[in-house]
Amino acid sequence: AQTVTQSQPEMSVQEAETVTLSCTYDTSENNYYLFWYKQPPSRQMILVIRQEAYKQQNATENRFSVNFQKAAKSFSLKISDSQLGDTAMYFCALVFRDNYGQNFVFGPGTRLSVLP
Amino acid sequence: DSGVTQTPKHLITATGQRVTLRCSPRSGDLSVYWYQQSLDQGLQFLIQYYNGEERAKGNILERFSAQQFPDLHSELNLSSLELGDSALYFCASSVEGPPGTGELFFGEGSRLTVL
Repeated sequence: AQTVTQSQPEMSVQEAETVTLSCTYDTSENNYYLFWYKQPPSRQMILVIRQEAYKQQNATENRFSVNFQKAAKSFSLKISDSQLGDTAMYFCALVFRDNYGQNFVFGPGTRLSVLP
Repeated sequence: DSGVTQTPKHLITATGQRVTLRCSPRSGDLSVYWYQQSLDQGLQFLIQYYNGEERAKGNILERFSAQQFPDLHSELNLSSLELGDSALYFCASSVEGPPGTGELFFGEGSRLTVL
């Protein structure tokens, strides 16, 4: 079975500091994607960053970057220069294809609070 | 704007009632997914449709049902509502197959309150 674990239910960080959110996963698939989604208080689900498993280079989107360790099945999200608007629930997700199509497995989420 | 439209945005009803939530996927997306998110909880996968056919089922109660129509919009029907059904219900759509990137595009959700 495919699983996604986020071991930090809650985290906080001071504004302008850097924070890293952890995610580990388990899959027997060779081809998959990994995503981080953000859910701010508005409850809208917003894609933050994606990583293709076959790419060794870590993905980066402005202040957001990932540390993808395929052998360790680890996919952490680093937020640099944290801003108040980064306060949100963050979900890690594993996406793979089987004979029936695309499958998404979400982690339980990490609630991040950015403190002024 | 993700391109996924959900209606209604808010709905308040009583126990025992039945409601229908509607979702229009992004133009061109054949897959529709339904998720339930109770207060401060994670996303619970309910069901997935692909081009009108049910493809995968998650933790969906027998009181709940869904369908995807030929125009690809989808409806989630919730019946015999209980207090515990109060939640945010998300619809999401996705491109599948090359050159699909696998990304899920979420609607803004339908917030259901059962009193």
